[in-house]
Amino acid sequence: DGGITQSPKYLFRKEGQNVTLSCEQNLNHDAMYWYRQDPGQGLRLIYYSQIVNDFQKGDIAEGYSVSREKKESFPLTVTSAQKNPTAFYLCASSRTGTGHNYGYTFGSGTRLTVV
Amino acid sequence: GESVGLHLPTLSVQEGDNSIINCAYSNSASDYFIWYKQESGKGPQFIIDIRSNMDKRQGQRVTVLLNKTVKHLSLQIAATQPGDSAVYFCAENIRDTGRRALTFGSGTRLQVQP
Repeated sequence: DGGITQSPKYLFRKEGQNVTLSCEQNLNHDAMYWYRQDPGQGLRLIYYSQIVNDFQKGDIAEGYSVSREKKESFPLTVTSAQKNPTAFYLCASSRTGTGHNYGYTFGSGTRLTVV
Repeated sequence: GESVGLHLPTLSVQEGDNSIINCAYSNSASDYFIWYKQESGKGPQFIIDIRSNMDKRQGQRVTVLLNKTVKHLSLQIAATQPGDSAVYFCAENIRDTGRRALTFGSGTRLQVQP
């Protein structure tokens, strides 16, 4: 079955460490996205990529980095510069097309906790 | 389970009743809207979408209404079931900003009482 897979489900980070969250999709979607979710707030956009080897900053990109070397993969690195990284991270993918909009397929999320 | 919103507005309904979840959007340039359902500890699931050239769209037990005059979106769930208990988000695509990603609302928690 096609889908989008995030790993790990739970991740613990020590102060000053960089950690990378994995996101893989086999839906043949061109676009991929990373959102952060905190209690009492909606989803906030970190980075997105409409095509391989290209990505754009979202609303809260500081302290995060991404790469898009393959269509199927869009890993997110939470760097030590991100001062409050504890959150639920959601990856999504979608089709793209001129003049059209398409809904997202989401992964099941990664819960990151600073210890 | 994962808490996705400690301070979300909550709608509590009895099983079998109809539910109406509302969403206000601020940008008149938004041209596409989606409703998502998120259960505790899981990623959001697509429910239904609507484009700005429509006022109403129906799915299985769900209806989305779009009022562009007052920039209001609603999700109606018929014969609400315990399995409908979740957090519901509206999302919009804001045209003309160069941003090619959805903007999400803060969510509403739906609690279905048996």
